[in-house]
Amino acid sequence: DQQVKQNSPSLSVQEGRISILNCDYTNSMFDYFLWYKKYPAEGPTFLISISSIKDKNEDGRFTVFLNKSAKHLSLHIVPSQPGDSAVYFCAASRLKMNRDDKIIFGKGTRLHILP
Amino acid sequence: EAQVTQNPRYLITVTGKKLTVTCSQNMNHEYMSWYRQDPGLGLRQIYYSMNVEVTDKGDVPEGYKVSRKEKRNFPLILESPSPNQTSLYFCATSPRGSYNYGYTFGSGTRLTVV
Repeated sequence: DQQVKQNSPSLSVQEGRISILNCDYTNSMFDYFLWYKKYPAEGPTFLISISSIKDKNEDGRFTVFLNKSAKHLSLHIVPSQPGDSAVYFCAASRLKMNRDDKIIFGKGTRLHILP
Repeated sequence: EAQVTQNPRYLITVTGKKLTVTCSQNMNHEYMSWYRQDPGLGLRQIYYSMNVEVTDKGDVPEGYKVSRKEKRNFPLILESPSPNQTSLYFCATSPRGSYNYGYTFGSGTRLTVV
């Protein structure tokens, strides 16, 4: 059973426009959410996170929105740049982690920024 | 520089020939984990370790072994590799305080088993 779902395997966006990547989760115990970015031949790198006490977190061109009632989060990239072309993984966990807690990853969305 | 180092980066091997992929971190992180990434399946956890001499199975542990004799190292062992273990492998680490700090990933090891 997939606890973190990224339903779009890929997304193409024109350079300069807004990229919106979506993620849904099923486990209501999750209260901490992360986005990772991955380039080919590199490991995933942390991009931005949000805890469930907030509904929005911004870092430069990147904003994550959280809708707890819908169990949905989204990553907005404005404006999109060529260097944003990568695979984006949504991940969910608990902010205060017990021994058996771990970060659960979605399957990823490949973002293509078109010139 | 804080980093997670995996070796080798690329490996082609034959079925049944034992191999070890090493992972080393210099951040004094308690938590270390191995993931494999496959097309359409995302990142799946193989094994993880909360601290020295403490290891647990992840979601896809079959065919793999790990050990954690020292805090900085967490090798992944394939005793008898098979073609279905052809994949991209990542080591991930995290400080294991009471709060979630996310993972730092290594650069990956692309393994091909023929």
